[in-house]
Amino acid sequence: EVQLVESGGGLVQPGGSLRLSCATSGFTFSSYDLHWVRQAPGKGLEWVSVIGTAGDTYYPDSVKGRFTISRENAKNSLYLQMNSLRAGDTAVYYCARGFMVAGANFFDYWGQGILVTVSS
Amino acid sequence: SYVLTQPPSVSVAPGQTARITCGGNNIGSKSVHWYQQKPGQAPVLVVYDDRDRPSGIPERFSDSSSGNTATLTISRVEVGDEADYYCQVWDSGSDHLWVFGGGTKLSVL
Repeated sequence: EVQLVESGGGLVQPGGSLRLSCATSGFTFSSYDLHWVRQAPGKGLEWVSVIGTAGDTYYPDSVKGRFTISRENAKNSLYLQMNSLRAGDTAVYYCARGFMVAGANFFDYWGQGILVTVSS
Repeated sequence: SYVLTQPPSVSVAPGQTARITCGGNNIGSKSVHWYQQKPGQAPVLVVYDDRDRPSGIPERFSDSSSGNTATLTISRVEVGDEADYYCQVWDSGSDHLWVFGGGTKLSVL
């Protein structure tokens, strides 16, 4: 059974830092792209970052230069280092497994999510 | 950036058919995916690549796409289908490479 479990969330002051972790099991971790997707309270889903199997990373402008995604294949774990946090980063953060088939590119498994609150 | 537009809400009676639209420029040329999210839960993939369903998702869920509109169709709607639904595409020209629609709240009356 594929499982993804996030940890490391909590309350942080504006300008502060937080590191999220995502422990996975049930699949060959090194063979998949991994993502972070967030959801602000009462809002929709927003893709935040991806790390490919070769370690290549991509971010939208809203987090570029502040967030860093990384992976540790030996531990089947995904991370998100978040710096210079703003109130607008307040959200539930999900880790998700990426899947590609014949040009389709989507998320086939999701963690349960972890809340990050940026507030003074 | 590529934009996906969904109606905020759709209402349907149990047993009827619900249709949730997702508008985007020439979306018919893209591969569209749909997620169901119930309150307090993570999203769940219900349809991918315009027509396929993950294991465990009933055949009642289907997708069609043409021109500038993709449509998630839920046949014989059940009370348990009440949830938020999000469409998603991948767009290499967008800042957000993986693009989501704003979501549609399906109410089963």
